[in-house]
Amino acid sequence: KNEVEQSPQNLTAQEGEFITINCSYSVGISALHWLQQHPGGGIVSLFMLSSGKKKHGRLIATINIQEKHSSLHITASHPRDSAVYICAVSVRNNDMRFGAGTRLTVKP
Amino acid sequence: DAMVIQNPRYQVTQFGKPVTLSCSQTLNHNVMYWYQQKSSQAPKLLFHYYDKDFNNEADTPDNFQSRRPNTSFCFLDIRSPGLGDAAMYLCATSRGAGSNEKLFFGSGTQLSVL
Repeated sequence: KNEVEQSPQNLTAQEGEFITINCSYSVGISALHWLQQHPGGGIVSLFMLSSGKKKHGRLIATINIQEKHSSLHITASHPRDSAVYICAVSVRNNDMRFGAGTRLTVKP
Repeated sequence: DAMVIQNPRYQVTQFGKPVTLSCSQTLNHNVMYWYQQKSSQAPKLLFHYYDKDFNNEADTPDNFQSRRPNTSFCFLDIRSPGLGDAAMYLCATSRGAGSNEKLFFGSGTQLSVL
């Protein structure tokens, strides 16, 4: 069993829909990261959080340390949000564990 | 402006022919990482440098080597690429080694092995 599990694996939404991607982890962590990877490569760091909630534009990330669970929400989704969203956790210095990613497709 | 730059964007090599991928950063970060990401899989850490200190992951094949001649540049050398080494190679940096450090990724180099 992976230490970082994401759900769903694939997600298709219509433009404007509210989207939630979930991440559960089974190890002790110091921080959790949400990353975005567009087709063809580069990864962008969206959030790094260790408690509570963070918001950036239409993106919201929450974490519940007790339940070892985090969610990434996208409000008013747009086709340009189509990407793979990766949850990763920092276990200790320089040691990150990655989820397998959630492939999001937003249709116009 | 790109802060972590990887070249080339796409690299094609032949089976067994050495290849070098490069990464440069304008952030003056202390730590540089190389990740391998195969199709539909999570990135896998190969090694990282903290300044000049090299740290190899236990399961990184000997076929993979790295050099960091200065703060700005880091290279990934694959001595004898096999078909199984075809993947996206991602370079990342962080300011420090703490577990709360944010990672900054390059756009990756997609390696094909013929």
